[in-house]
Amino acid sequence: AQSVTQLDSHVSVSEGTPVLLRCNYSSSYSPSLFWYVQHPNKGLQLLLKYTSAATLVKGINGFEAEFKKSETSFHLTKPSAHMSDAAEYFCVVSDNNDMRFGAGTRLTVKP
Amino acid sequence: DAGVIQSPRHEVTEMGQEVTLRCKPISGHNSLFWYRQTMMRGLELLIYFNNNVPIDDSGMPEDRFSAKMPNASFSTLKIQPSEPRDSAVYFCASTVLLGYSPLHFGNGTRLTVT
Repeated sequence: AQSVTQLDSHVSVSEGTPVLLRCNYSSSYSPSLFWYVQHPNKGLQLLLKYTSAATLVKGINGFEAEFKKSETSFHLTKPSAHMSDAAEYFCVVSDNNDMRFGAGTRLTVKP
Repeated sequence: DAGVIQSPRHEVTEMGQEVTLRCKPISGHNSLFWYRQTMMRGLELLIYFNNNVPIDDSGMPEDRFSAKMPNASFSTLKIQPSEPRDSAVYFCASTVLLGYSPLHFGNGTRLTVT
């Protein structure tokens, strides 16, 4: 069985400062990992994905994530937060025939 | 590519009425998922299909909920009879290769049961 844990339910940063959203996973196989973003009243949109290629993955809107097998982590980062980044972020682990979503992290960006 | 299409976008109905939500996955995708999202419970997987066959329906709350996928381009989620606690946003998502490819989500159906 696999699982995913988003370590923070809510993160608040100031505009222009770095963003770090943490995600840890467990999986019996070599997983695929994804980050999704959901803006208010919208569906989920794929930010980036890791599927056993380069461990540092670049996504849309300046986000990136690094797959660290030894730490079973896939943290999402962005060097400088923008007001438009305020949203809910979901980490997802997928392998074999199973896909699990984290509980989500709400990112607030203060002016 | 039109993406995953859900209808209706909003549905308001009275308790006891039947509700049918519809989803058209992306052409060529062979796995389809139904999720429910509420403030209290977050995002919950209700059921998913692979090649039109239901694989895991353990998330379906109770017998009032049923889902079908008669062909590769259409799925329905039905609630009969509906109750106020069913009020939520229901998302449909599809993927081309489960386990490797990302999910593509529709914009959701916001259901309100009064």
